[in-house]
Amino acid sequence: DAGITQSPRYKITETGRQVTLMCHQTWSHSYMFWYRQDLGHGLRLIYYSAAADITDKGEVPDGYVVSRSKTENFPLTLESATRSQTSVYFCASSESRLAGAAYNEQFFGPGTRLTVL
Amino acid sequence: AQSVTQLDSQVPVFEEAPVELRCNYSSSVSVYLFWYVQYPNQGLQLLLKYLSGSTLVKGINGFEAEFNKSQTSFHLRKPSVHISDTAEYFCAVSEMDSSYKLIFGSGTRLLVRP
Repeated sequence: DAGITQSPRYKITETGRQVTLMCHQTWSHSYMFWYRQDLGHGLRLIYYSAAADITDKGEVPDGYVVSRSKTENFPLTLESATRSQTSVYFCASSESRLAGAAYNEQFFGPGTRLTVL
Repeated sequence: AQSVTQLDSQVPVFEEAPVELRCNYSSSVSVYLFWYVQYPNQGLQLLLKYLSGSTLVKGINGFEAEFNKSQTSFHLRKPSVHISDTAEYFCAVSEMDSSYKLIFGSGTRLLVRP
């Protein structure tokens, strides 16, 4: 299917376990983003990527690792999950600014609800 | 540093009544402004955006917003709401020189009652 997908949609894990959340987009967008959504905080940027093999930290990167070996995939790994990482995680993508527009809209996936027990 | 404030965490309103969701921002540089909507158990969808030009911008589903630079506000309005407008609404800003980063407000839950 075309668009941006996330898997799994729901995940329950235990403290200390490694968890990987997957994000896949079919538009060949250059930019990809990971956000977490918590009550009272809106969405906060965890990591972003401008292209394959180029990643950078956002506002709340601690405890997370990302990689981007292919343009279409941007997995987010929690190396040792903590209860404070219980959240809803959203992936997003957008075209590069080089596409000519002043701003390129970010398109969001459906989210992954992660619970860390 | 940029910040976005949505003072109202929840706004209850009756169907067919008008509504205004407030958004104020803080930034030392020029910004782009956005409103996103999130329906239950879904991702975010862009409602409207202000990039330049007319300060009154119209979006999908009958929503509009007005950019007020002097008051650093970007309030969202709809003259007559429907039950289907019940959702979470997020205001966001992006600096013009780094337009790939969005800073979100904490969200306002619009609850439309029959």
